[in-house]
Amino acid sequence: DGGITQSPKYLFRKEGQNVTLSCEQNLNHDAMYWYRQDPGQGLRLIYYSQIVNDFQKGDIAEGYSVSREKKESFPLTVTSAQKNPTAFYLCASSSGGSSPPNTGELFFGEGSRLTVL
Amino acid sequence: KQEVTQIPAALSVPEGENLVLNCSFTDSAIYNLQWFRQDPGKGLTSLLLIQSSQREQTSGRLNASLDKSSGRSTLYIAASQPGDSATYLCAVNDFNKFYFGSGTKLNVKP
Repeated sequence: DGGITQSPKYLFRKEGQNVTLSCEQNLNHDAMYWYRQDPGQGLRLIYYSQIVNDFQKGDIAEGYSVSREKKESFPLTVTSAQKNPTAFYLCASSSGGSSPPNTGELFFGEGSRLTVL
Repeated sequence: KQEVTQIPAALSVPEGENLVLNCSFTDSAIYNLQWFRQDPGKGLTSLLLIQSSQREQTSGRLNASLDKSSGRSTLYIAASQPGDSATYLCAVNDFNKFYFGSGTKLNVKP
């Protein structure tokens, strides 16, 4: 079945550690996104990528890094510089790609919950 | 920057009621608007996608409308069921970036 796979589902991190969240899609989508969700709040955009080897900062990119070496994969690293990393992280993809307008539907993975000990 | 607001933040209704969820956005220059459902601890499931040229979309008991000029969308749920209990979020596609509201938490009582 086509879809988006995020791993791990739960992750615990000690302060000062970097951790990497995996996101893989087999939908052949050009665009991929990382969002952060905090309790009672909407989703906030961390990074997005419209094409392989290219990505842009979202609204809350500080303390995070990404790479897009393959179309199917868009891993997110939460670095020690991120002051409050405990949150629910969601990866998404759409078919819009780099050619406007992007009228594609957005699809989500099941999410990864990161807790800082 | 696009701001998306959803009202009400929470809603509790008895089973069988028809209900309306509201979504408003500040910049009408959008490509599309999408409604999602989120169950606790889960990812988002797409319910309906309305392109900027469309006025409404329907899927089963769900109907979503879009009024770009006034910056509003509504999600109508007919004959609500306990299984509809979840958080409903709207998102607008603004130049290849998607902006989300904080959601409406719906509880349908048996």
